[in-house]
Amino acid sequence: EDQVTQSPEALRLQEGESSSLNCSYTVSGLRGLFWYRQDPGKGPEFLFTLYSAGEEKEKERLKATLTKKESFLHITAPKPEDSATYLCAVQARSQGGSEKLVFGKGTKLTVNP
Amino acid sequence: DAGVTQSPTHLIKTRGQQVTLRCSPKSGHDTVSWYQQALGQGPQFIFQYYEEEERQRGNFPDRFSGHQFPNYSSELNVNALLLGDSALYLCASRPWGTYNEQFFGPGTRLTVL
Repeated sequence: EDQVTQSPEALRLQEGESSSLNCSYTVSGLRGLFWYRQDPGKGPEFLFTLYSAGEEKEKERLKATLTKKESFLHITAPKPEDSATYLCAVQARSQGGSEKLVFGKGTKLTVNP
Repeated sequence: DAGVTQSPTHLIKTRGQQVTLRCSPKSGHDTVSWYQQALGQGPQFIFQYYEEEERQRGNFPDRFSGHQFPNYSSELNVNALLLGDSALYLCASRPWGTYNEQFFGPGTRLTVL
């Protein structure tokens, strides 16, 4: 069964203190790995898609990387507005093109000023 | 360009009642998926609709049913509500057959008393 595990569950950083979030996955043929940001009570907001090991994507203070077993979301010099829950999801290969997303529980990031 | 929209925003029901949630996909998208997100958890896949048919289903009982209309909008129906059905219900859309990101709506917060 496809599975996604995120760590840590919660992370507190001081403004400007860089860190990384981890997403470990087991999947029967990876179609894509997705990172989303979710603010309290709102829907997930898309950040990145990674398709193959070695791929990297960047957006402002965020950088996502992918290996065959895990993905990292690196946050450089975070600001308080980066506080949110970060969700990782995988999409596995299956017949018919109707692949669902399997999510981890997320990492709740708090950045203190 | 309107993104994914959902209605209502919030809903309060009592045990045993039935509820209908609505979703309009992002412009140009024809595939709609529904997810349930309990507090502190990642979204769980309920089912996916394309061409007005259910294409894939997660581990949810038959009390959960859906429908897709010719204009690609969708409904999620839940019968015989249980306390455990209290959650944020998310709708996501993407074009069929692509492996790109799914775009999420803001969600409907359902509370069952």
